[in-house]
Amino acid sequence: ETVMTQSPTSMSTSIGERVTLNCKASQSVGINVDWYQQTPGQSPKLLIYGASNRHTGVPDRFTGSGFGRDFTLTISNVEAEDLAVYYCLQYGSIPWTFGGGTKLELK
Amino acid sequence: QIQLVQSGPELKKPGESVKISCKASGYTFTDYAMNWVKQAPGNGLKWMGWINTQTGKPTYADDFKQRFVFSLETSASTAYLQINNLNIEDTATYFCTKGTAYWGQGTLVTVSS
Repeated sequence: ETVMTQSPTSMSTSIGERVTLNCKASQSVGINVDWYQQTPGQSPKLLIYGASNRHTGVPDRFTGSGFGRDFTLTISNVEAEDLAVYYCLQYGSIPWTFGGGTKLELK
Repeated sequence: QIQLVQSGPELKKPGESVKISCKASGYTFTDYAMNWVKQAPGNGLKWMGWINTQTGKPTYADDFKQRFVFSLETSASTAYLQINNLNIEDTATYFCTKGTAYWGQGTLVTVSS
């Protein structure tokens, strides 16, 4: 199975900063990667699909990039509502696998 | 709009069974597969597998090939997840998903003696 490794596992930021979250696949998954945001008690919310495409209604401060094994999610001008756990998902091969998550906290 | 509405929380004893429902609306149910995802308390997300809503054929991830059953009631646009012989490690929130974009609200299953 394809292992997705996210880094860092947590990070502290200030409002208005730019942060970059990473996800590395154990084998190539092409562009078959999504990014999700999850807040406590909620279901994951799709932010980015196909590595770099913003889902409907997602603010343009969220940007995804990458291909093959290395993927990033960048959040520009972090807002308070962005404090959450972020997961990557690969669906290029069965089983689909998620990264372990990155928790974005306030500094 | 597309919605997946899941059944409510369940409290079960070890050895019992539970059946969770996921009712879809806003699209043609049989046009898209339904996936199931597990999230244990304080943990990450684990894909359990999917069911072909046209044929009813399920595909299970390795950790979910025993005790877990995906099924459908196509006339009601509803997918089901049944877990048999529950154990403590099955305590989790279970999500149904249409593709990767649309998720149910989750169903918390608590297994406790």
